Amino acid sequence: AQKVTQAQTEISVVEKEDVTLDCVYETRDTTYYLFWYKQPPSGELVFLIRRNSFDEQNEISGRYSWNFQKSTSSFNFTITASQVVDSAVYFCALSGTSGSRLTFGEGTQLTVNP
Amino acid sequence: DAGVIQSPRHEVTEMGQEVTLRCKPISGHNSLFWYRQTMMRGLELLIYFNNNVPIDDSGMPEDRFSAKMPNASFSTLKIQPSEPRDSAVYFCASSFRGMNTEAFFGQGTRLTVV
Repeated sequence: AQKVTQAQTEISVVEKEDVTLDCVYETRDTTYYLFWYKQPPSGELVFLIRRNSFDEQNEISGRYSWNFQKSTSSFNFTITASQVVDSAVYFCALSGTSGSRLTFGEGTQLTVNP
Repeated sequence: DAGVIQSPRHEVTEMGQEVTLRCKPISGHNSLFWYRQTMMRGLELLIYFNNNVPIDDSGMPEDRFSAKMPNASFSTLKIQPSEPRDSAVYFCASSFRGMNTEAFFGQGTRLTVV
C-alpha cells in the first residue's frame, strides 16, 4: 500500500514570505514517481512537477523549488517570495510501479495575504 | 492546444435521475482517469482507462456508477440512479501514458444531487 501525508492542512503567510509545504510518502516500490499539483480557487488541478525515485536532485523553477529526500521519504515544496496568486490548495501525489494507482495527499490550503 | 474538456461544468439533478458526465481527453494521450473530489474523502480515483480499455475500476463506488470510453477522444461517467451523497466535483484527466506520467485535468463537473 502507498500513502501520502500532507500534515499541514492550512498555511497562511504574508506576501513576499517564503513558505514550505511538506509532503511525506510511504511506498514499498523501489521505483516510484512523485508529483505536485496546484488547485487554485477556479478549481482545476494544474500539474507542477514530476520526479522519479532515482533522481534526488533538487529542482528550481522560478520561485518554486522542490527538495526530494529519499532518506526521510519527503518531497517538500518551497515557494520563495510568495505572491497572492500563489493562494491555492497544493497536492502532493505518488504513483508506484506499473498498475499502481496515483495516490493524492489531502492537500494544503495556502493563503497568501497582501 | 486544447486541454481536457469536460461537460457540463455544473449539473443539478434530483435524486433518482440519471446523470452523464462527459470528457474529451488531450489528443495523443493514451490514458484517461475519472476522479471524484469531496471535502470528506479528498481526491479519489474512480476508474482508469488505458488505450480505451478499463484497467482499474476498483474505485467505482457501486453499481450505480459506470464509465465508458468508446474511442480515444471521448469518455462518459454515468450515475444511475443518482443520490445526494454523489454530490461532488468530478474530474477527468488524461496522460500520455499511465499513472507515472503527468496527468492533465479538466476543469471538473460540479454535481449537486438534491
